[in-house]
Amino acid sequence: NAGVTQTPKFQVLKTGQSMTLQCAQDMNHNSMYWYRQDPGMGLRLIYYSASEGTTDKGEVPNGYNVSRLNKREFSLRLESAAPSQTSVYFCASSYLSYEQYFGPGTRLTVT
Amino acid sequence: AQRVTQPEKLLSVFKGAPVELKCNYSYSGSPELFWYVQYSRQRLQLLLRHISRESIKGFTADLNKGETSFHLKKPFAQEEDSAMYYCALSGREYGNKLVFGAGTILRVKS
Repeated sequence: NAGVTQTPKFQVLKTGQSMTLQCAQDMNHNSMYWYRQDPGMGLRLIYYSASEGTTDKGEVPNGYNVSRLNKREFSLRLESAAPSQTSVYFCASSYLSYEQYFGPGTRLTVT
Repeated sequence: AQRVTQPEKLLSVFKGAPVELKCNYSYSGSPELFWYVQYSRQRLQLLLRHISRESIKGFTADLNKGETSFHLKKPFAQEEDSAMYYCALSGREYGNKLVFGAGTILRVKS
């Protein structure tokens, strides 16, 4: 089992460009999450999906949209990237809310 | 208001020394507290949860409701303990979500 996979691993964008971060899990988990990790800020929840067909905002949703395509896949879209969105993005999934399984992360730089 | 506080960004200790990674929280009600760890070039993973009261890799953490703390302790640090440690909180108010602290880098020197 691959667990949680994320693509791409690295990305550089110019301000105003758009992109979609992909996440997939093969553990049959209902819940999936997108976080961003910034120095001194820890992990902050952007969006989450408690089950297929539902999505909800987390702590820092502005500038992002998500799609829960099916039970396996949960994508994060930046419509118009800004330098403040430079970060490392982690996707996670869980069966039990507290035991989340994380992907390897996507390092995004917006210039 | 910050709900999970890890006051140290970096904790540096010598091998064999005791380790205490501090975590304080603010939450009205009965929270669940966890420690997650991210070793170099590995994924973030659950280390332990307060309800299980286990010792994992020699680490323990006791929930102190009076002091609203959940400090992570190990009596004798090992070099392989070097990692980023996150304290996290879950509670009814947050549904299926975890709230993470800012993280502490533990560096164990030989």
